[in-house]
Amino acid sequence: NAGVTQTPKFQVLKTGQSMTLQCAQDMNHNSMYWYRQDPGMGLRLIYYSASEGTTDKGEVPNGYNVSRLNKREFSLRLESAAPSQTSVYFCASGLDEKETQYFGPGTRLLVL
Amino acid sequence: GESVGLHLPTLSVQEGDNSIINCAYSNSASDYFIWYKQESGKGPQFIIDIRSNMDKRQGQRVTVLLNKTVKHLSLQIAATQPGDSAVYFCAERGYQKVTFGTGTKLQVIP
Repeated sequence: NAGVTQTPKFQVLKTGQSMTLQCAQDMNHNSMYWYRQDPGMGLRLIYYSASEGTTDKGEVPNGYNVSRLNKREFSLRLESAAPSQTSVYFCASGLDEKETQYFGPGTRLLVL
Repeated sequence: GESVGLHLPTLSVQEGDNSIINCAYSNSASDYFIWYKQESGKGPQFIIDIRSNMDKRQGQRVTVLLNKTVKHLSLQIAATQPGDSAVYFCAERGYQKVTFGTGTKLQVIP
């Protein structure tokens, strides 16, 4: 099992550009999550999907959209990137909302 | 990690000694707690968890202690090794929400 995989590993964008971060899990988990991690702060939830077909906003959803493509895949889209979105983005999955979350390796995004 | 290690409290431990990493949580209604390890440039890795109906749980070389009275969680690592060098952070699950701490950087001195 690969666990949780994310692409790309690194990305540099110019302000205003758009991009989609991809996430996939092979653990047959129902719940999937997108977090951002910034220096001096804990992981902050952007969006989550409790089960296939549902998505909900987290703590910091502004500037992002998500798609739960199927049970395995959960993508995060930045429509118009801003320097404030420079961060490390982690995808996670869990058996359900109450269970342990397992994380991917992260995507490092720099917005100039 | 380069984006996680800045401004974090640091614990320096001699190789072979025991390490104790502490975490204070905020929500008295939290019922589930998790410790994660994050190595430089990698994603958080699950280490051990504990539910609120327990006060101690042991894994391989790791022990988690939960004191609900003072809302305190600790992670003990026995015989610390160079490979234990990382940022460690706790997470608490409250009502419909998981909150992550900012972490402690563990440096193992050979």
